[in-house]
Amino acid sequence: NAGVTQTPKFQVLKTGQSMTLQCAQDMNHNSMYWYRQDPGMGLRLIYYSASEGTTDKGEVPNGYNVSRLNKREFSLRLESAAPSQTSVYFCATLPRQKLFFGSGTQLSVL
Amino acid sequence: AQKVTQAQTEISVVEKEDVTLDCVYETRDTTYYLFWYKQPPSGELVFLIRRNSFDEQNEISGRYSWNFQKSTSSFNFTITASQVVDSAVYFCALSEALQGGGGYQKVTFGTGTKLQVIP
Repeated sequence: NAGVTQTPKFQVLKTGQSMTLQCAQDMNHNSMYWYRQDPGMGLRLIYYSASEGTTDKGEVPNGYNVSRLNKREFSLRLESAAPSQTSVYFCATLPRQKLFFGSGTQLSVL
Repeated sequence: AQKVTQAQTEISVVEKEDVTLDCVYETRDTTYYLFWYKQPPSGELVFLIRRNSFDEQNEISGRYSWNFQKSTSSFNFTITASQVVDSAVYFCALSEALQGGGGYQKVTFGTGTKLQVIP
């Protein structure tokens, strides 16, 4: 089935640990996005990629890096996790003017 | 800069009541899209509707209806005869195109309205 696949679904990290959230889409669309969702703050854009080989900062990029590996894959990396990065992370793509989201990654940083 | 305001943080209604969720937006673009998404307790984000800025017709889909008014920069969402399954967080969002196009569109979300439908 067409869609956006995110892994992992859940992750617990200790402060200072690193990890990469993976995202893949099979909609053959150029733009991909990483959002974080925090209570009372809606979804905030971390990074986006307009096309393969390009990435740009969104609203809250500090503490994150991204890689657009190819047209399908867009990964989000936390180099040194902090408790403030405890959140739910969503990857998305925007074919036909409609955002499709992955199922989310619930990340806790202790 | 674009902004989406959902002033209602939480709403509780009794089943079968009608409820309207408000959304007010700000944008300098003349071409833009407005969206509503539903996030049930399971956590996934479910697309409900997209509206083009040039199309001010109201839309009805079953028990759902949307009232788009450019004059007041609002895109309100009404659920008629609410049901327990409507309990969720609802997000309004605004999409603008980058200057010159380029395929990328910045999508800005409101903070969401949590709707609780009480049986």
